[in-house]
Amino acid sequence: DAGVTQSPTHLIKTRGQQVTLRCSPKSGHDTVSWYQQALGQGPQFIFQYYEEEERQRGNFPDRFSGHQFPNYSSELNVNALLLGDSALYLCASSPGQGLGGGEKLFFGSGTQLSVL
Amino acid sequence: AQTVTQSQPEMSVQEAETVTLSCTYDTSESDYYLFWYKQPPSRQMILVIRQEAYKQQNATENRFSVNFQKAAKSFSLKISDSQLGDAAMYFCASAISGTYKYIFGTGTRLKVLA
Repeated sequence: DAGVTQSPTHLIKTRGQQVTLRCSPKSGHDTVSWYQQALGQGPQFIFQYYEEEERQRGNFPDRFSGHQFPNYSSELNVNALLLGDSALYLCASSPGQGLGGGEKLFFGSGTQLSVL
Repeated sequence: AQTVTQSQPEMSVQEAETVTLSCTYDTSESDYYLFWYKQPPSRQMILVIRQEAYKQQNATENRFSVNFQKAAKSFSLKISDSQLGDAAMYFCASAISGTYKYIFGTGTRLKVLA
C-alpha cells in the first residue's frame, strides 16, 4: 500500500516564475492538505481540499492556489515566486471525509523548493 | 488565537534512557486535539501520538507517552528506553475540532547518544 507520494522531490526556480507541485494521497484517503515548512520552522497550513474544493485556507496570499482531481490527487500552484517561498512543501492526506480536527494526517516526504 | 510553543530547540539523551520533550499551547476552544509528530532526515512527518482534549487519561503508544495537563495547557512527550532510531525533529501540534488547520510548534531536535 503506497503512502502519500509527492513530486518532484526537489525543484529550483527563479523569482517571478510559476511552479506546480503534485501529491497523490494514501490509498483510501479523500482529503488532501498542503503545508509549507520554512527552514528551522514547523509546518504552516496552506489549505485543504475535499471533494475537489478548497475547504479551508491558511494565511497565504492568492499566489498560492490548488486543485484536487476526481481521483483525490492534488496540485499546489505558486505564481510569481518570491525568495521567501523557498521551503519544504508537505502534502498530507487523511481519511473519512475529512471530519475535521483530530483525524490523523499522513504526510509525504515533501518537495524542496528553492527560489533563486 | 491558537498557538503552540516548544521552548527546547534541542535535547540529548543517552541510549536506553528516558527523555521528556515540552510543549505548551493556547486555545480558547474546549474541544481540540493534540499531537506529537516525528520528522526524521527523510523529511516525512510521522504521527507519534494523539490526545483528545476531552479525555483525561494520558495517551500512550509503546515507549511513547504524554503528560497532558489541560489546565496548564501543557502537553509533554516522554520517550522511554530511547533508541538510536528515535533521533529526529519532534513537532507538537494542535487542531480544533471541526476545523482542518493544524498548528505546529517550531520543533525540538532530539539527539540520541550511543
